[in-house]
Order: sequence, then C-alpha cells, then structure tokens
Amino acid sequence: AQKITQTQPGMFVQEKEAVTLDCTYDTSDPSYGLFWYKQPSSGEMIFLIYQGSYDQQNATEGRYSLNFQKARKSANLVISASQLGDSAMYFCAMTRSDISNFGNEKLTFGTGTRLTIIP
Amino acid sequence: DSGVTQTPKHLITATGQRVTLRCSPRSGDLSVYWYQQSLDQGLQFLIQYYNGEERAKGNILERFSAQQFPDLHSELNLSSLELGDSALYFCASSVAPRGNEQFFGPGTRLTVL
Repeated sequence: AQKITQTQPGMFVQEKEAVTLDCTYDTSDPSYGLFWYKQPSSGEMIFLIYQGSYDQQNATEGRYSLNFQKARKSANLVISASQLGDSAMYFCAMTRSDISNFGNEKLTFGTGTRLTIIP
Repeated sequence: DSGVTQTPKHLITATGQRVTLRCSPRSGDLSVYWYQQSLDQGLQFLIQYYNGEERAKGNILERFSAQQFPDLHSELNLSSLELGDSALYFCASSVAPRGNEQFFGPGTRLTVL
C-alpha cells in the first residue's frame, strides 16, 4: 500500500520568501509518480507539478520545483518568491506507476499543508 | 480551467435520498476518477473508469455506484444518503496510455441534512 505523510498542518511565510512544503512517501512499488496539488479556499484542485520515480532531474514548473530525494523517500515542494495568491492548502499525492507506463492508477493523498502568505 | 466539468456545483438534500453527480472529462481523456473529500477522511479515491470499463475501486460504499457512458462522461450515484456523506466530490480525468497526470473538475459540494 502507498502512504503519503505531510507533517506540517500549517505554515506562515512572509511574502517574497521561498517556502518548502514537506512530503514523505512510502511504497513498495518500483515505479510511481509524485504530484503536488493546490486547493485554494474556492475548493478546486489545481495540478502544480509531477515527478516520475525514474526521472533523473527534479521537476520544475515556473516558481514551483520538486525536491525529489528517492533514497529518503521525500518529494518536497519548493515555491520561490511566494505571493499572496499562494495562500491555499497544498496536497502531496502519489500513484503506483510513472508517466512512461500505462496504468492510470488512483491518487493517494496526504493530509495537506495549509500555507498562509503574510504581506 | 482544467477542462473537466462537473454538475451541479452544490447539492443540498435530505437523509435517505438519492442523487446523481455528473462529470465530463477533458477532451481526449479516457480515464475518469471519482474522489471524496471530507473533513474526517480527507481526500479518498472512490472509483476509476477507463473507456467505459471499471478499472479500479477504492473505499466506495455499496450505496454508491458509478458508470462511464460511451461519450465518456461519468455519473456517480449516491443513494440512501446519510449525514456522513456530506462532502466535496471531485471528478478527475487523464489521458491513457500516455500518462497519468490527473486534472480535477471544480467539484460538487453535497450537503445532506
């Protein structure tokens, strides 16, 4: 079974500072994918970034980067130069197979981190 | 806008009733997933369909059922509703077999009174 652990229930960060949201995972599957989603107060789930277990480089998408440390089973999200609009819940999630294989599997989510950006 | 649509946005009903939630995936996506987000259970996978066939099942109650139609839209049916079924229900879709990035719809907020 897969498990995602997010140990920070809430974080407060000054605007324009970088922030790291922690995520550790547990799985026995050799091939898996890791995701981060943002959920603003309006409720929708916004896909941010994806990392495949066999990707050699850390994923980046604009101000978002994923610090993937396979041996430590961690997949932390780094947001550079935070903005007020970054205030939201952030969920780390994983699937059983990575993007190169067929097998669209379910997402297993962590409990989330509520990020608040302070002006 | 993810391209995934869900209707209705809000639904208020009474215990014992039955409701149907509808989802239209992004154009070209063959897989549809249903998730439930509640305060006590967090985000939980319910069921997945791929091109009309059930592919995976999660913690879905027997009172709940789903299907995916030939035009790829999906419906989640919830019956004999209980107070604890109040939650945000998300539909997500993805392209297969190219990848498994899942894009979520805006959700349907169900309130059972």
